[in-house]
Amino acid sequence: EDQVTQSPEALRLQEGESSSLNCSYTVSGLRGLFWYRQDPGKGPEFLFTLYSAGEEKEKERLKATLTKKESFLHITAPKPEDSATYLCAVQAPNSGNTPLVFGKGTRLSVIA
Amino acid sequence: DSGVTQTPKHLITATGQRVTLRCSPRSGDLSVYWYQQSLDQGLQFLIQYYNGEERAKGNILERFSAQQFPDLHSELNLSSLELGDSALYFCASSVGGTAGNTIYFGEGSWLTVV
Repeated sequence: EDQVTQSPEALRLQEGESSSLNCSYTVSGLRGLFWYRQDPGKGPEFLFTLYSAGEEKEKERLKATLTKKESFLHITAPKPEDSATYLCAVQAPNSGNTPLVFGKGTRLSVIA
Repeated sequence: DSGVTQTPKHLITATGQRVTLRCSPRSGDLSVYWYQQSLDQGLQFLIQYYNGEERAKGNILERFSAQQFPDLHSELNLSSLELGDSALYFCASSVGGTAGNTIYFGEGSWLTVV
């Protein structure tokens, strides 16, 4: 069964303290790995899509990378407004009837 | 703003009742998805429609049903509601209906069953 595991479950950073969030996956024939940001009570906001190992994408203080079995979301010099839950999701042709399989997320808190 | 519109944003209803959640996808998107998010669970896929036809089904309860209309908006019907149905229900949309398409989420409908 396809599975997505995110770590850590929660992360507390001081403002400016860079770190990385991990998403490991077990799928056959990955069609895409997605990162979303979710604020409390809001819908997931699309951040990045990665399709193949070695691919990298950046947006402001965020950089997503992909290997054959995991993805990292690097946060450089975070600010309090980066506090949110970051969700990773994968798509695979044999993900059964589930277009996106989500991890449980990493709750990031950035303290000023 | 993702462009996916959901109504209502909040609703409170009693057990045993029936509610309908509505979703308008992004302009140009043919595929609509419904997800459920409870406090103690991640995002759970319910069902997907593509251009009016059911494309994929997750762990959707028999008490729940959905449809996508010719104008591509979608409705999720929840009946015989139970306390455990209280959750955030998200609609999402994408251009295509197959893997590889980026899926954009709406802001959700908060359902509280009392």
